[in-house]
Amino acid sequence: DGGITQSPKYLFRKEGQNVTLSCEQNLNHDAMYWYRQDPGQGLRLIYYSQIVNDFQKGDIAEGYSVSREKKESFPLTVTSAQKNPTAFYLCASSVLAGQETQYFGPGTRLLVL
Amino acid sequence: GNSVTQMEGPVTLSEEAFLTINCTYTATGYPSLFWYVQYPGEGLQLLLKATKADDKGSNKGFEATYRKETTSFHLEKGSVQVSDSAVYFCALRRKGAQKLVFGQGTRLTINP
Repeated sequence: DGGITQSPKYLFRKEGQNVTLSCEQNLNHDAMYWYRQDPGQGLRLIYYSQIVNDFQKGDIAEGYSVSREKKESFPLTVTSAQKNPTAFYLCASSVLAGQETQYFGPGTRLLVL
Repeated sequence: GNSVTQMEGPVTLSEEAFLTINCTYTATGYPSLFWYVQYPGEGLQLLLKATKADDKGSNKGFEATYRKETTSFHLEKGSVQVSDSAVYFCALRRKGAQKLVFGQGTRLTINP
């Protein structure tokens, strides 16, 4: 079945630690996105990538980094510079950036110890 | 700027009741409009969409009509079920833009 997978489902971060969230898609989509969801709020865009080896900052990129070495994969690293990382992180993809519907993965919940 | 405003939740209804969740937007030009649904502990699923004025999106008994004159995209369902309990997000995307702009979400609970 085609779809978007995210792992792990839950992730715990210690103070000063970098952690990486995985996002993989087998939909052959060119564009991929990372959103952050906080309780009672809508989603906010962290980073997006239109094509392999290219990515752009979204509205709240500070404290995060990404890479896009393969079309299928768009991992997100939450660095120690992100002072309030506790949130639900959602990865999405679309056929082409800015032109098609975005489809979402099941999400990763990040908690700080 | 572009923004989406949804009716405040939570909303609690009895099974078979009529549902309306209001959504209004502010945007330049004519954006595409979406409703997404999020079940507990899961990611978002696309429920329906409309890409131009007067379009009606529909899926699983839910409907929403793109109203340019009132800048609205209200979600409706004639008879809700317990399984419809979820958080519903209204969103827009400007033509050619990369990101979706979301409302804050409306939590819906349906009691048997």
